[in-house]
Amino acid sequence: DGGITQSPKYLFRKEGQNVTLSCEQNLNHDAMYWYRQDPGQGLRLIYYSQIVNDFQKGDIAEGYSVSREKKESFPLTVTSAQKNPTAFYLCASSIATDQPQHFGDGTRLSIL
Amino acid sequence: EDQVTQSPEALRLQEGESSSLNCSYTVSGLRGLFWYRQDPGKGPEFLFTLYSAGEEKEKERLKATLTKKESFLHITAPKPEDSATYLCAVPRKAGTALIFGKGTTLSVSS
Repeated sequence: DGGITQSPKYLFRKEGQNVTLSCEQNLNHDAMYWYRQDPGQGLRLIYYSQIVNDFQKGDIAEGYSVSREKKESFPLTVTSAQKNPTAFYLCASSIATDQPQHFGDGTRLSIL
Repeated sequence: EDQVTQSPEALRLQEGESSSLNCSYTVSGLRGLFWYRQDPGKGPEFLFTLYSAGEEKEKERLKATLTKKESFLHITAPKPEDSATYLCAVPRKAGTALIFGKGTTLSVSS
């Protein structure tokens, strides 16, 4: 079945540590996205990529980094510069940026 | 500024009690409006796309409608399994990504 796989489901970060969240899709979609979801805040866009080897900052990119070396993969690194990383992180993909997005089941990141 | 506002934030219904959720938007030149359902601890699940005023889409007990400035998600005779957070989203003016509302959390009790 086609879909988006996020791993791990739960992740814990120590102070000063960088952590990487994985996102893989087999839908053959060109566009991929990372969102952060906090209670009462809705979905906030961190980064998006319209095509391989290209990505753009979203609304809250500070403290995060991404890469898009393969069409299927769009990993997100939460760096130590992100001072409030505890949140639910969602990855999505779509055929184009103005088309419906399909989501993975998220990674919940907590601080130790 | 592109904006999507959903109301109410939370809605409690008895099983069988029909109601509507609202999504209003300020993006000019609308290129589609999307409804999603999100269960706790899961990613949003795509429900409907609406493209033009007057358009309607239905799925089981859900019907989505669109006007020039807002969309409604009508829930007819809801069941407890309809309990979830419902999100709406529209493409940003620049077409770079979607902008999401904060959602309406629906609770249906039997």
